[in-house]
Amino acid sequence: KAGVTQTPRYLIKTRGQQVTLSCSPISGHRSVSWYQQTPGQGLQFLFEYFSETQRNKGNFPGRFSGRQFSNSRSEMNVSTLELGDSALYLCASSFGASTSTGELFFGEGSRLTVL
Amino acid sequence: GENVEQHPSTLSVQEGDSAVIKCTYSDSASNYFPWYKQELGKGPQLIIDIRSNVGEKKDQRIAVTLNKTAKHFSLHITETQPEDSAVYFCAAKVWGQNFVFGPGTRLSVLP
Repeated sequence: KAGVTQTPRYLIKTRGQQVTLSCSPISGHRSVSWYQQTPGQGLQFLFEYFSETQRNKGNFPGRFSGRQFSNSRSEMNVSTLELGDSALYLCASSFGASTSTGELFFGEGSRLTVL
Repeated sequence: GENVEQHPSTLSVQEGDSAVIKCTYSDSASNYFPWYKQELGKGPQLIIDIRSNVGEKKDQRIAVTLNKTAKHFSLHITETQPEDSAVYFCAAKVWGQNFVFGPGTRLSVLP
């Protein structure tokens, strides 16, 4: 069974640009959550999508957005990039909504560098 | 909202020794406490979890203990091996809400 796939794995952008990251969950999983990981800050929750609907959103500015498609694949977009957006963006899938206590399966992440 | 603290931030042990990582949480409604291991260049992977109706859980060399009264839980790794070197994250979860992760502990097992 294929794991969670994130693309691209690495990318470099400049301030003011926008970026779109993609996540394909494990087959059969309907929930996709996104996390930002920075040194010393751990994993900060961005948002969760379940059956194409955003269920929860973390404390991030509106520049961070996402969506989920009917095949459960998800994308997140960051507009008007800032230097502080440099981070590893992790996607996690679960069978049920992550608000239940199901296991999260993480992808390997997309490492974004903003210059 | 829930807040999770984790200590220490870095930990070095000799191969074969034990390692202990401690986390505290703030929301007494939290009822699920997983531990994730993140190896270099990889995403976090669940290694063990515990629910609030259980005080201790073991899986081979790893164990987790939970003290609901004190609102803290700990990861214990015995007979550490070089492949245990990684970053470990604890998390706490209230049913119906999202996971809240600790800031992580970088464990180094020295040969």
